[in-house]
Amino acid sequence: DIQMTQSPSSVSASVGDRVTIACRASQDISGWLAWYQQKPGKAPKLLIYATSNLQSGVPSRFSGSGSGTDFALTISSLQPEDFATYYCHQTYSFPRTFGQGTKLEI
Amino acid sequence: EEQLGQSGAEVKKSGEFLRISCKGSGYTFTSNWIAWVRQMPGKGLEWMGIIHPGDSDIIYSPSFQGHVTFSADKSISTAYLQWRGLQASDTATYYCAKYEKEMEAFDLWGQGTVVFVSS
Repeated sequence: DIQMTQSPSSVSASVGDRVTIACRASQDISGWLAWYQQKPGKAPKLLIYATSNLQSGVPSRFSGSGSGTDFALTISSLQPEDFATYYCHQTYSFPRTFGQGTKLEI
Repeated sequence: EEQLGQSGAEVKKSGEFLRISCKGSGYTFTSNWIAWVRQMPGKGLEWMGIIHPGDSDIIYSPSFQGHVTFSADKSISTAYLQWRGLQASDTATYYCAKYEKEMEAFDLWGQGTVVFVSS
């Protein structure tokens, strides 16, 4: 199985800050990486697919980058509604696997 | 509007049978794989496996194979997740999610089904 490791596990930030969350795969996943946002008690929501493609309706302050085994999600200017938990997810091979999550706190 | 609607919360006892459901609407249900994802209380997301409602082709995660069963009834656009013998460790929220192949990602999620199993 491909292991996905996110860092940090939690981060404190303020409205207006720029935040970057890292995700490392245990092997090359050829860019097949998605990012999801989850708020308490809610289902995850797709933000980014295939490393850097913004899902329809997602604000442009969200962006994804990376290649090979190292990827990142960046939020350029935090808004109050962005405080949530973020997960990376590899869709390169079975079984699909998620990172452990990064909790973004005020 | 595309939607995945899941069945309601369940409270069961260890060893009991349970089947939960996920009904698709607003899109061609047989065209997209449906995945099941577990989230234990206070924990992260775990990919359990995936089923194609069109032909019932299934891929299980090794971590869940043998303990759960996926099925689908395409005539009513519904996918199912079932357990023959629940365990207390099955207590979790279970999500179904629609896999969009062009994105290689889950672009639509159900609202989740909370399952509580007492020992």
